[in-house]
Amino acid sequence: QKEVEQDPGPLSVPEGAIVSLNCTYSNSAFQYFMWYRQYSRKGPELLMYTYSSGNKEDGRFTAQVDKSSKYISLFIRDSQPSDSATYLCAMTEANNLFFGTGTRLTVIP
Amino acid sequence: EAGVTQFPSHSVIEKGQTVTLRCDPISGHDNLYWYRRVMGKEIKFLLHFVKESKQDESGMPNNRFLAERTGGTYSTLKVQPAELEDSGVYFCASSQEDLNTEAFFGQGTRLTVV
Repeated sequence: QKEVEQDPGPLSVPEGAIVSLNCTYSNSAFQYFMWYRQYSRKGPELLMYTYSSGNKEDGRFTAQVDKSSKYISLFIRDSQPSDSATYLCAMTEANNLFFGTGTRLTVIP
Repeated sequence: EAGVTQFPSHSVIEKGQTVTLRCDPISGHDNLYWYRRVMGKEIKFLLHFVKESKQDESGMPNNRFLAERTGGTYSTLKVQPAELEDSGVYFCASSQEDLNTEAFFGQGTRLTVV
């Protein structure tokens, strides 16, 4: 069993839709929960990270962590074509990063 | 400020050959990480340098992989001899503090072993 599970998609939504991206994990020792965005032929770019259960908002992006269910989500409001990318969740334990496989998102104009 | 840069962006080599990947971290970043993503799999940690010292190399797959960071600046990752299963995208990341929440990734080197 992988430590971090993420639905690879692909996911296609119309412009303006609310997008929900999710990951589950099995390791209770994970400390930080992160979301990366990766455009084609580029490296991962950190979008946001959280430490505790609850919500964290940054503009159109909201990261949600539920430690009791070992479930994290990233919500994108008013999605734009420029949001089209692969979104990777990642988690840390003892400063090692564990990634999900990524979800490819396409926002259709 | 220049970001993390990796060379080459793409390399195609034959099985049994040697390949050297290079990573130039952001200036002043003591921490340098190597990661790898093989086809269809998640990105996985390979190793972590603090300046020129290997802090953690638990993710290195076998002794065909050799990473160096002479002088604590740029780093190289050599694969010798390359095997088909080494194909993938190799990412480098750097950070000032030893915190993954502040690490910046390079664009990656796509390695294809044929």
